[in-house]
Amino acid sequence: GIQVEQSPPDLILQEGANSTLRCNFSDSVNNLQWFHQNPWGQLINLFYIPSGTKQNGRLSATTVATERYSLLYISSSQTTDSGVYFCAVDNYGQNFVFGPGTRLSALP
Amino acid sequence: GAVVSQHPSWVICKSGTSVKIECRSLDFQATTMFWYRQFPKQSLMLMATSNEGSKATYEQGVEKDKFLINHASLTLSTLTVTSAHPEDSSFYICSARGDWTVQDYEQYFGPGTRLTVT
Repeated sequence: GIQVEQSPPDLILQEGANSTLRCNFSDSVNNLQWFHQNPWGQLINLFYIPSGTKQNGRLSATTVATERYSLLYISSSQTTDSGVYFCAVDNYGQNFVFGPGTRLSALP
Repeated sequence: GAVVSQHPSWVICKSGTSVKIECRSLDFQATTMFWYRQFPKQSLMLMATSNEGSKATYEQGVEKDKFLINHASLTLSTLTVTSAHPEDSSFYICSARGDWTVQDYEQYFGPGTRLTVT
């Protein structure tokens, strides 16, 4: 089945700093989503981005489907950005596979 | 839009009893619903996929008789953990996918149910 890797596994930032999270996947996909899991476990949809670039406030994402990777950019981080960021991919109706996550700690 | 609810948000039960978890799509019709399990500090693992009116499809290694899934309507799926044991303690999360958006494959997730079996 499709493999999903995320890097870095852990990230510590000072408030106000920028960061880039990466998601690599091993096969072509028709769905790629980025999520933020908050401390209570809720998964928040950040982006649905199987290809191209999107921006939403301080967050933006780019997926280069031909090279099988996606990037999530967080600018001017805030303490509320802390949590785990997951990417997940769907390989044309097969399993929706989650990566291992990046645990972000944004310090005041 | 695209809100998914779960009930209960947490439950404690005794070993050997059964627990039912409900997953509802509140503002859209969910043609497909998914159940995931997440252990502490780990990622989400898909347990099963269910389509309304059909039998669920279980992932390899997931016991069908232990985790009963019923997708009785386009807005409700239930997961019943039968004869629960302490090793079934986990965070269970459902998601739903509908055909109401152009992006047919986008999934929306419920807030999760934390199960503790004593």
